[in-house]
Amino acid sequence: DTAVSQTPKYLVTQMGNDKSIKCEQNLGHDTMYWYKQDSKKFLKIMFSYNNKELIINETVPNRFSPKSPDKAHLNLHINSLELGDSAVYFCASSRTGVGAFFGQGTRLTVV
Amino acid sequence: SQQGEEDPQALSIQEGENATMNCSYKTSINNLQWYRQNSGRGLVHLILIRSNEREKHSGRLRVTLDTSKKSSSLLITASRAADTASYFCATDAGNNDMRFGAGTRLTVKP
Repeated sequence: DTAVSQTPKYLVTQMGNDKSIKCEQNLGHDTMYWYKQDSKKFLKIMFSYNNKELIINETVPNRFSPKSPDKAHLNLHINSLELGDSAVYFCASSRTGVGAFFGQGTRLTVV
Repeated sequence: SQQGEEDPQALSIQEGENATMNCSYKTSINNLQWYRQNSGRGLVHLILIRSNEREKHSGRLRVTLDTSKKSSSLLITASRAADTASYFCATDAGNNDMRFGAGTRLTVKP
């Protein structure tokens, strides 16, 4: 069974559209994250949640809205997509003092 | 903002040689972690070292941590072609805030 699964794996969409990426973890972890990896491979934290509560919101535009319906899920909705949003988005989960598990990534291409 | 800085940015070695990657960070941490990322894949956790630990081993991996210098190193011994990947350090400040460095791209030539 996949520990952290995110869908879709690839997403190609036009500028101005709204899209969502889903993430689910079956590890029972309390903390979940969203990261953005740009073309230079920099991994930048976007959000972290602990038990469905937002902990970190790292100066991400308001067009990005995370939603955590329960502690096993952390979805990312993006409004009015821009060319600069093209990147690979990773979901991850962890618990205190233990390394994180990452999803396989969602490659978003905005055209 | 990024927390860690890795060096070198890229490293190319022959199979059987050792590879050393370094990571420096800026703020206090609870622990520091190293991850591997193969091309087009997600990150895989390799090893975690707590702030009160100085050295840790796992198989062919050896990690050191110097909190006075705010630096860590990852040593991979007897490297293999399959070790070719990008390696990232991540600092955990203990408040659900895990931040990554820019990564080192390791190429191991057969």
